[in-house]
Amino acid sequence: DIVMTQSPDSLAVSLGERATINCKSSQSVLDTSKNRNSLSWYQQKAGQPPKLLIYWASTRESGVPDRFSGSGSGTDFTLTISSLQAEDVAVYFCQQYYTTPITFGQGTRLEIK
Amino acid sequence: QVQLVESGGGVVQPGSSLRLSCAASGFIFNTYTMHWVRQAAGKGLEWVALMSYDGSNTNYADSVKGRFTISRDNSKNTLYLQMNSLRTEDTAVYYCARGSITGLPTWGQGSPVTVSS
Repeated sequence: DIVMTQSPDSLAVSLGERATINCKSSQSVLDTSKNRNSLSWYQQKAGQPPKLLIYWASTRESGVPDRFSGSGSGTDFTLTISSLQAEDVAVYFCQQYYTTPITFGQGTRLEIK
Repeated sequence: QVQLVESGGGVVQPGSSLRLSCAASGFIFNTYTMHWVRQAAGKGLEWVALMSYDGSNTNYADSVKGRFTISRDNSKNTLYLQMNSLRTEDTAVYYCARGSITGLPTWGQGSPVTVSS
């Protein structure tokens, strides 16, 4: 199984500041046939299901604010929120869908400092 | 709009069975792979199972293999999860999700399952 490891486990950032969450996979999730990384980021607010933010490591889902961006390739990935807003308080998960079993990172809790 | 609505959760004793349903609407159900994902209270997300658009392919997490069965009725736009031999560690909110080449873009609100004596 591909193990997904996020860092940090929790993060407190001031409003308007940058937040960075890292995700590392135990093996590459690069689909060489498509030259795309099968890596997604989700946001989960309290009491709600997860919401897809980023797919193929760096493509924003429709309707997601452009302050959210994803980067990385192979085994190392990053989710960046360029200017933290109050509504961004949530837990963030990375996920690989390169192969089954689909696996998620343990989550990063983002709070306001 | 695209909607997934889970039902069938509840409180059961260890060793019992339960069947979850997921009613889909707003998209062509029989063209999508569907998934079940669960989340224990305060914990992370655990993928449980998937079924291909036509039911020809299934895949399970090792933790549920042999106990859970995923199925679908494309005539009813409904996904199912039959859960047998339930254990306390199966306690979680169970989400159904629509799959795509981009991951899991659509999720239901979830159905809570509690396994307790």
